[in-house]
Amino acid sequence: DGGITQSPKYLFRKEGQNVTLSCEQNLNHDAMYWYRQDPGQGLRLIYYSQIVNDFQKGDIAEGYSVSREKKESFPLTVTSAQKNPTAFYLCASSNGGTGELFFGEGSRLTVL
Amino acid sequence: DQQVKQNSPSLSVQEGRISILNCDYTNSMFDYFLWYKKYPAEGPTFLISISSIKDKNEDGRFTVFLNKSAKHLSLHIVPSQPGDSAVYFCAACNAGGTSYGKLTFGQGTILTVHP
Repeated sequence: DGGITQSPKYLFRKEGQNVTLSCEQNLNHDAMYWYRQDPGQGLRLIYYSQIVNDFQKGDIAEGYSVSREKKESFPLTVTSAQKNPTAFYLCASSNGGTGELFFGEGSRLTVL
Repeated sequence: DQQVKQNSPSLSVQEGRISILNCDYTNSMFDYFLWYKKYPAEGPTFLISISSIKDKNEDGRFTVFLNKSAKHLSLHIVPSQPGDSAVYFCAACNAGGTSYGKLTFGQGTILTVHP
């Protein structure tokens, strides 16, 4: 089945450690996105990529990094510079035709 | 600056009645609007959308209305069912801009439909 796979689903890390969240899609979509969800704040855009080897900062990119070496993959690294990393992270992709995003099931990161 | 606002954090309705979820936006460059539904610990799923050239779009039990002058849209669910209980997010984008597909989301409204 076509879709977006995020891993891990749950992740616990100590403060100061970098963590990388995986996102893979087999929908053949050009564009991929990372959003963060916090209670009461909806979804906020971290980074997005509209084509391989290119990506743009979203609204809250500080403390995060991404790469887009393959069309199918868009990993997100939460660095120690991110001041409040505990959140629910959502990866999405789109074909750009309708603005409709297809989301993965999310990764919940808890920093202890 | 919250460009897309859902001012009602929650809504409770009886099964079979109408659910009306509201959304306001401030950015006049937005010209394409979407509603997403989200269950706990899952990713949002697309529900329905509307372009700014229309004022209404219908899909089964779901209808979205757009009032451009008021910068307001609403999602109507008729009749509401218990399985509709979820968080509903309103989202907007500038379809004609270079950031096409980059959506701005509202805070979400928790809908609870009671049997």
